[in-house]
Order: sequence, then C-alpha cells, then structure tokens
Amino acid sequence: AQTVTQSQPEMSVQEAETVTLSCTYDTSENNYYLFWYKQPPSRQMILVIRQEAYKQQNAMENRFSVNFQKAAKSFSLKISDSQLGDTAMYFCAFMKPRIYNSGNTPLVFGKGTRLSVIA
Amino acid sequence: GAGVSQSPRYKVTKRGQDVTLRCDPISSHATLYWYQQALGQGPEFLTYFNYEAQPDKSGLPSDRFSAERPEGSISTLTIQRTEQRDSAMYRCASSLEPGGHSYNEQFFGPGTRLTVL
Repeated sequence: AQTVTQSQPEMSVQEAETVTLSCTYDTSENNYYLFWYKQPPSRQMILVIRQEAYKQQNAMENRFSVNFQKAAKSFSLKISDSQLGDTAMYFCAFMKPRIYNSGNTPLVFGKGTRLSVIA
Repeated sequence: GAGVSQSPRYKVTKRGQDVTLRCDPISSHATLYWYQQALGQGPEFLTYFNYEAQPDKSGLPSDRFSAERPEGSISTLTIQRTEQRDSAMYRCASSLEPGGHSYNEQFFGPGTRLTVL
C-alpha cells in the first residue's frame, strides 16, 4: 500500500518570504501522480499543483513549484512571495496510474501541514 | 452544475441513528469518490463509482457504511447506527469519464461535517 508522510505539522512564514513544505511517499509503482492540495479555513479542497512521475521536469504554477526527487521519493512544495491568502492546510497526495477504462484510482493523502503566513 | 455540491453541509445526530449524506457531482463527470476526513487528518478513501458501478469499496470502515449511485449521477452515503468515531468531514469528489489513459482531475465538494453525539 502507498503511504504519504508530511513531517511538518505546522509552519509559519513572513509575508513575501519563501517557504518549503516537505512530503515523502512510499510506493513500488514506477508511474504515478503526485499532488499538493490547499485547504483554506473555508475547508474547500483546492488543487495547487500536479506532478507526473515520468516527467523529470519539476512542475510550476505561478508562485508554487515543486522539487520532485523520484529516487528519494520526495516531493516538496515551495511557495515564493508568500501571501496572507496562502494561509491554509496543505496536503500532499499520491495517486497510482489509471486502470485503462476503469477510471482514476483514489488519492492517498498525507496528514497535512498547517501553514500560517504572518504579516 | 457549476461544481460538486453536497448536502447537508452540517449534520448533528445522536449515537445509534442512521444518516444519509448526498453528493451531486459535476454533470459531465462519470467518476465519483467518497472520502472521510477526521479532524486534523487528511482525507481517506471510502469508495468510488464509475457511472452506477462501484468497483472499489475497500475503504468503507464497516458494514454500517454503504453508498449508492443508482442512476450514475447523484450519490448517497449512508451510515447506519452511527457511532461517535464516525464524526468527521465527508467529502465527495468527481472526475471525467474513465476511458483512456489521460489524467482527470478530481474536483471536491465542500463536504458534510457530521457530528455524532
């Protein structure tokens, strides 16, 4: 079974600074997807960024980027120029490859990191 | 609809009562998931549907939990004889058709917060 570990229960960062959230995972699969989700105080689940394991290039979405180290099974999220609106729980998640014509496979989530951005 | 909706948003019930939670996925989405999120934890998979078929219900914690999607659209999650440990946020997510190999994003609903007294 796949497991996802987020070793930082809470973190804080000053506004406009950069912060990195850690995530490690365990799997025997060679191809898979990794995600970071944001859960603000409203409790919605918002996809922040996605990485396909077969891609060596790290994914980037505006101020959000990842450092994907496949051999080390590490997938960290870097938030640059932190904003007050980035305050949220951040969940790292793993998904096995699709089973053809049977749909996606479920997401496996870590326990989350609570990020506070301080003015 | 514009997004995934769930009802009720909040449910308080007494131990031993049955509850039914509803999920209305995005109208074009064939795949629907249910997750349970305990306080301070990440969501955990319960079950999923492709249209009305339920290929995997391995995450359902006990036989008190069941889910249906009889017409391949709206889904319900029923918990019988609720226990205090069932208190959690129950999230529904949906994604596009299962065909092919391309990735389809899971869109999450706002969740139903269940409290069992």
